[in-house]
Amino acid sequence: SYELTQPLSVSVALGQTARITCGGNNIGSKNVHWYQQKPGQAPVLVIYRDSNRPSGIPERFSGSNSGNTATLTISRAQAGDEADYYCQVWDSSTAQGVFGGGTKLTVL
Amino acid sequence: EVQLVESGGGLVKPGGSLRLSCAASGFTFSSYSMNWVRQAPGKGLEWVSSISSSSSYIYYADSVKGRFTISRDNAKNSLYLQMNSLRAEDTAVYYCARGGLRLGEPFDYWGQGTLVTVSS
Repeated sequence: SYELTQPLSVSVALGQTARITCGGNNIGSKNVHWYQQKPGQAPVLVIYRDSNRPSGIPERFSGSNSGNTATLTISRAQAGDEADYYCQVWDSSTAQGVFGGGTKLTVL
Repeated sequence: EVQLVESGGGLVKPGGSLRLSCAASGFTFSSYSMNWVRQAPGKGLEWVSSISSSSSYIYYADSVKGRFTISRDNAKNSLYLQMNSLRAEDTAVYYCARGGLRLGEPFDYWGQGTLVTVSS
């Protein structure tokens, strides 16, 4: 089955840029979606199809996807960005959804 | 406003059954694929199952295949998950999430979840 690998944690200084990676075999050929989840809340879609932002998501959130790595970039990080972030793809070969293990973002 | 409200969670003994429901409103339910995603306590998200808009296509995670059944009633704007032969490792918050017009699209709206606890 297809696997997605994320770092357990990422730290970023307030106002700086955070990058969260999502690794997978030839992930560049798939559509990657990113979700933000704050404690006690449901996940929220922040990036879809690699680099698109849903309405209401700040421009500070961006995404890219190439080769074996997809990346979620959060510019000018704010305290309110502290959350768990998950990447997700649809594996068409098995017709199954796949989530990465999640990355805890800490804003220092 | 899109709303998804799950219900039906609770405490069940190993080997028991439970049926989750998700009531949808604020969009044309019959046009969208729907999904169940779960999260064990302190763990990450796990995709459970997806169903196409007309129920023609249904998919399951290997961990629940043969035990769980997803279904929908477009006339009632409702999504269901019948869970049988429950195990301790099925303990989780179960989220209902809207997909796209086709399977495999992002989950753009989520409910608040319903907790299922499997314990003797």
